Amino acid sequence: AQKVTQAQTEISVVEKEDVTLDCVYETRDTTYYLFWYKQPPSGELVFLIRRNSFDEQNEISGRYSWNFQKSTSSFNFTITASQVVDSAVYFCALSGYTDQAGTALIFGKGTTLSVSS
Amino acid sequence: ETGVTQSPTHLIKTRGQQVTLRCSSQSGHNTVSWYQQALGQGPQFIFQYYREEENGRGNFPPRFSGLQFPNYSSELNVNALELDDSALYLCASTLSSRPNHEQYFGPGTRLTVT
Repeated sequence: AQKVTQAQTEISVVEKEDVTLDCVYETRDTTYYLFWYKQPPSGELVFLIRRNSFDEQNEISGRYSWNFQKSTSSFNFTITASQVVDSAVYFCALSGYTDQAGTALIFGKGTTLSVSS
Repeated sequence: ETGVTQSPTHLIKTRGQQVTLRCSSQSGHNTVSWYQQALGQGPQFIFQYYREEENGRGNFPPRFSGLQFPNYSSELNVNALELDDSALYLCASTLSSRPNHEQYFGPGTRLTVT
């Protein structure tokens, strides 16, 4: 069975602090894909990044960076120099392919990030 | 390029009634997935349609049903509404049914069952 765990329920930081959101996943598939989505108060899920299971190269994009480690089944997300506009719920998600569920996204419960000025 | 749109935005229904939610996929996308998001939880997969055929289904009862039309828009129907069906219903479209393609979400329909 596939599962995504986001142990951090809520994180509060002050603007300009760095913050890391943790994600641990479980899957028996050898090929799978990991995603991070952001859900601002408006409710719409916004796609941030996708990583493939066979590509462990970490990446930096502006203030965002990702740390994917297959050995620990973790896919952590870091925001550098956080801003108030980063306040949102962040979801980690896992996808593969199964006959039953197609290419469904399996989401964690989310981490609520609050950035104060 | 038009993104994913959903209608209505909000809906209030009474227990036992039926409801239809609608979704227009992003241009060029042939796969649509529906998710239910209860308050304070992550989205839960309901089902997925690829080229008008159901391509996968989550652990939801048969009273949750769907359709995909030739233009790849989609409907989610829920019969015999229960109080626990109150949630945000999200539709997502994808370029194809392959798992490496990111899913783009609409703004959701907030359903309240009283």
